[in-house]
Amino acid sequence: EIVLAQTPLSLSVSPGQPASISCKSSQSLLHSDGTTYLYWFLQKPGQPPQPLIHVGSNRFSGVTDRLSGSGSGTDFTLKISRVEAEDVGVYYCMQSIQLPLTFGGGTTVEIK
Amino acid sequence: EVQLVESGGDLVKPGRSLTLSCTAYGLNVGDIAMSWFRQAPGKGLQWIGFITSKASGATIRYDASVKDRFTISRDDPKNIAYLQMNSLKNDDSAVYYCTTGAFDSWGQGTLVSVSS
Repeated sequence: EIVLAQTPLSLSVSPGQPASISCKSSQSLLHSDGTTYLYWFLQKPGQPPQPLIHVGSNRFSGVTDRLSGSGSGTDFTLKISRVEAEDVGVYYCMQSIQLPLTFGGGTTVEIK
Repeated sequence: EVQLVESGGDLVKPGRSLTLSCTAYGLNVGDIAMSWFRQAPGKGLQWIGFITSKASGATIRYDASVKDRFTISRDDPKNIAYLQMNSLKNDDSAVYYCTTGAFDSWGQGTLVSVSS
């Protein structure tokens, strides 16, 4: 089973400041087809996860360009260029290159 | 617009069975893969399993923790995906979500509570 280690566990950010979340995988998420099977989701309290990033760096439709995903192989990062109130919640990375699909433990982002 | 609506969550006793439904709007469930996830209270997300599209052979895969107790199926004419859960345990208590295969649409979830 692929283990995804997310850091930090929580983040307190002032509005307008940047934030960065790391997701490190125990195995490479780069498939032989050239696709990187890494996703990012945001879950706000009482809501289902919202898809943010797929294939490591592509934003899902409608996702703000303040969010960006980067990385390759086993090391990935989600960056928020300027944190706003709507960015509060728990961020999860997920891999789908190998079954079972697995998630990172989550990073809670709050506004200072 | 794509919408997924889960239903069927309930309070049940250990050992009992329950079937959850995921009704899709704006897409044909037979044309895509559908996945089920769950989230125990205060915990992270866990993948349960998926069913692939008709064109891909409607292949079904499960997480090892539910493989012998849970069954995923689909009724294409009704446009509904199902998660049948047998021999429920206290640890199965969670909010259950269905999603599209690309994980770009999620339902609101349905709560399953297992307790005596």
